[in-house]
Amino acid sequence: EVQLVESGGGLVQPGGSLRLSCAASGFTFSSYDMHWVRQATGKGLEWVSAIGTAGDTYYPGSVKGRFTISRENAKNSLYLQMNSLRAGDTAVYYCARGLEMNYWGQGTLVTVSS
Amino acid sequence: QSVLTQPPSASGTPGQRVTISCSGSSSNIGSNTVNWYQQLPGTAPKLLIYSNNQRPSGVPDRFSGSKSGTSASLAISGLQSEDEADYYCAAWDDSLNGLYVFGTGTKVTVL
Repeated sequence: EVQLVESGGGLVQPGGSLRLSCAASGFTFSSYDMHWVRQATGKGLEWVSAIGTAGDTYYPGSVKGRFTISRENAKNSLYLQMNSLRAGDTAVYYCARGLEMNYWGQGTLVTVSS
Repeated sequence: QSVLTQPPSASGTPGQRVTISCSGSSSNIGSNTVNWYQQLPGTAPKLLIYSNNQRPSGVPDRFSGSKSGTSASLAISGLQSEDEADYYCAAWDDSLNGLYVFGTGTKVTVL
């Protein structure tokens, strides 16, 4: 059974940093592109980043230069390093598998507030 | 700010057919395939349709997708109460070194 479990969310002050993790199981992690997607309370989905099987990375302008996606295939893990956090980054962060995002985790809440 | 536009809401009675539109541009829907996601209240999104009109295993055939030019549509036939959810279209956008864009989302209400 495919499982994605996010962790690492919490309360952080503006300007602070946080590292999210996504533990994958039930499939060959190294064979899949992976994504991070976020959703602010009551709002729509926003794509945050993607990493290919070769380690190529992609970001939208809203997080480029502040967020870094990475993966550790030996540990079946995906990461999102978030720096210079702003109030607007407050959201539930999901990891998702594959080009079409055919599996999603349950999400982890990040709150940026003083 | 989303570049894929959806109507904020749609509704129907049980058994009816509901259609949701998704309007984009030549750099996203016009040149890439469209995926659709269903998000039930309080849960993570779920892939509903991929590659414009393909259903993942386990998705009822009541759900169908189509694409024409720079627009796409999701149809739900034989609407059921459990279909009440938010629906999002999405596609890769070629305009800026590869971006994945979601639609604005449509809340489907079963009356």
